[in-house]
Amino acid sequence: NAGVTQTPKFQVLKTGQSMTLQCAQDMNHNSMYWYRQDPGMGLRLIYYSASEGTTDKGEVPNGYNVSRLNKREFSLRLESAAPSQTSVYFCASSEGRVETQYFGPGTRLLVL
Amino acid sequence: QQQVKQSPQSLIVQKGGISIINCAYENTAFDYFPWYQQFPGKGPALLIAIRPDVSEKKEGRFTISFNKSAKQFSLHIMDSQPGDSATYFCAASNQAGTALIFGKGTTLSVSS
Repeated sequence: NAGVTQTPKFQVLKTGQSMTLQCAQDMNHNSMYWYRQDPGMGLRLIYYSASEGTTDKGEVPNGYNVSRLNKREFSLRLESAAPSQTSVYFCASSEGRVETQYFGPGTRLLVL
Repeated sequence: QQQVKQSPQSLIVQKGGISIINCAYENTAFDYFPWYQQFPGKGPALLIAIRPDVSEKKEGRFTISFNKSAKQFSLHIMDSQPGDSATYFCAASNQAGTALIFGKGTTLSVSS
């Protein structure tokens, strides 16, 4: 039982490049989330998926797109990376809407 | 009305002392208040949570105190240990909410 896994662990991009952050959970959870964490800013919600087939914007969605591929997987795509997107990205999942959220280990992204 | 304000930003406590972290919210519709603990290089993990029908919840050395009229809640760590050194986030949501609103975090250092 791996919980929530994220790939890659670390990535360096040049401005304008694109990439997809992958997230998978093996707990059969309905809801999945993408957050970014920046120093002094806490955790800010980018997008979430309350159930398979649905996605909604969070607090800071600009510059990102998401795909809920199936119940297990929720990916985050940066179409044209910008230095302001340098951050640590966390994926999380929960059984219900306000139940305990289980976080992955994070992806550190550096955009030059 | 969607903010959760957390203080202090950082805290240094001696081993065996009491660590206190405070949070305040504005949205009276919030009715679920968790605290998350994050160690360096790891994702956050749920520590303890409370709903406003009780004024206090204790789990081991960790206690949440909740003041509904003041719209404030706090985390108390009794007999603080070096292993408690981490970043702590308070959060809030409501029954209809689809995600958590996080505070900006408190970095706790427990000196031995």
